[in-house]
Amino acid sequence: QLQLQESGPGLVKPSETLSLTCTVSGGSISSSSYYWGWIRQPPGKGLEWIGSIYYSGSTYYNPSLKSRVTISVDTSKNQFSLKLSSVTAADTAVYYCARTVVTPFGYYGMDVWGQGTTVTVSS
Amino acid sequence: EIVLTQSPGTLSLSPGERATLSCRASQSVSSSYLAWYQQKPGQAPRLLIYGASSRATGIPDRFSGSGSGTDFTLTISRLEPEDFAVYYCQQYGSSPPIFFTFGPGTKVDIK
Repeated sequence: QLQLQESGPGLVKPSETLSLTCTVSGGSISSSSYYWGWIRQPPGKGLEWIGSIYYSGSTYYNPSLKSRVTISVDTSKNQFSLKLSSVTAADTAVYYCARTVVTPFGYYGMDVWGQGTTVTVSS
Repeated sequence: EIVLTQSPGTLSLSPGERATLSCRASQSVSSSYLAWYQQKPGQAPRLLIYGASSRATGIPDRFSGSGSGTDFTLTISRLEPEDFAVYYCQQYGSSPPIFFTFGPGTKVDIK
């Protein structure tokens, strides 16, 4: 059974860089059918897609965050990572990693999610 | 950029009742690229529906999705106690660069 687990600091100072890693277990990150992505949820608010990466390394970012976001993949460790620079209090949120299934036959949704990790931006 | 709007913001119903949730897109969306998620407090979202009407693995048949173009609907035929949650619609934009958009959510709470 595929599982995703987020890890990283729970507290980041303003203007610094938020760094999170998602470890994939029970399956390979190197599949042509999947994108691997990050989604966040500020306290009491809705879901916001941050960006996604294909196992080959192709990346896609939310235009509203693109200038600050870097997503990378390490297939040898079955992990992918998020870096968000110049953070402010507005970046305080629960950050989720998720698998997205996309094939030539269609879109099958974000079907596996990590449990989420809370990141607070504060001095 | 496609914007998704969900209505109502909150739906107050009793167990056993039927819930009808709406998701409207600012421009036409391929039904193949529309999904619905359920989120309970303190939990990650769970995929319910993809392709506008296909249930994800393990999802009970009381959940159904329909719609096309700009108007999509999630229906819960008879609410069970565990169905009281927030529901999000989501659109996948396949034109490069790919992108994903979530609606603001509809909260289904107990009347």
